[in-house]
Amino acid sequence: SQTIHQWPATLVQPVGSPLSLECTVEGTSNPNLYWYRQAAGRGLQLLFYSVGIGQISSEVPQNLSASRPQDRQFILSSKKLLLSDSGFYLCAWSTTLGTEAFFGQGTRLTVV
Amino acid sequence: GIQVEQSPPDLILQEGANSTLRCNFSDSVNNLQWFHQNPWGQLINLFYIPSGTKQNGRLSATTVATERYSLLYISSSQTTDSGVYFCAVMDSNYQLIWGAGTKLIIKP
Repeated sequence: SQTIHQWPATLVQPVGSPLSLECTVEGTSNPNLYWYRQAAGRGLQLLFYSVGIGQISSEVPQNLSASRPQDRQFILSSKKLLLSDSGFYLCAWSTTLGTEAFFGQGTRLTVV
Repeated sequence: GIQVEQSPPDLILQEGANSTLRCNFSDSVNNLQWFHQNPWGQLINLFYIPSGTKQNGRLSATTVATERYSLLYISSSQTTDSGVYFCAVMDSNYQLIWGAGTKLIIKP
């Protein structure tokens, strides 16, 4: 069966520091991969999605970037964090046929 | 793009009560999912239901794609049902479009 791993679960980082969040999927090939951010008490905002290795689409201009170095690995990065980058980040995957999407446990990022 | 509206935004019920959550969407969609976000933030898949009716224990869902809405029914509510319920639809680009959620509080 397929599983998705996302880490770390929580992270406190100072303003100006770099960021790297990792997400890996097991048990499937060529998944669509997604990074979402959720502000407290609100819905999810799509940040990036990827349909294949090295293929990244960005939905909103921001201080973050994403990379997909391997088929089942998706990384969210920043060179210099801002206070406004704080939030709950969720990685997700779905099949390329657009069926059911599954989410990782999320990373709660606090920038101080 | 597709708009997704959920109602009600907040719902407070006593344990044992039944509830109906609604999701309206503005255009044809490839699929529709219901999620429960627990207090720890984990998004739990409830139903993948682009059309028709499904049941899983005390929960059931119905999607009427031609009329662009879906309903989530929770019967005999328990305190562990508390959390936020999200409806999300997938557009033609395989992107999930989310509603704002319904925050459900079940009081003992």
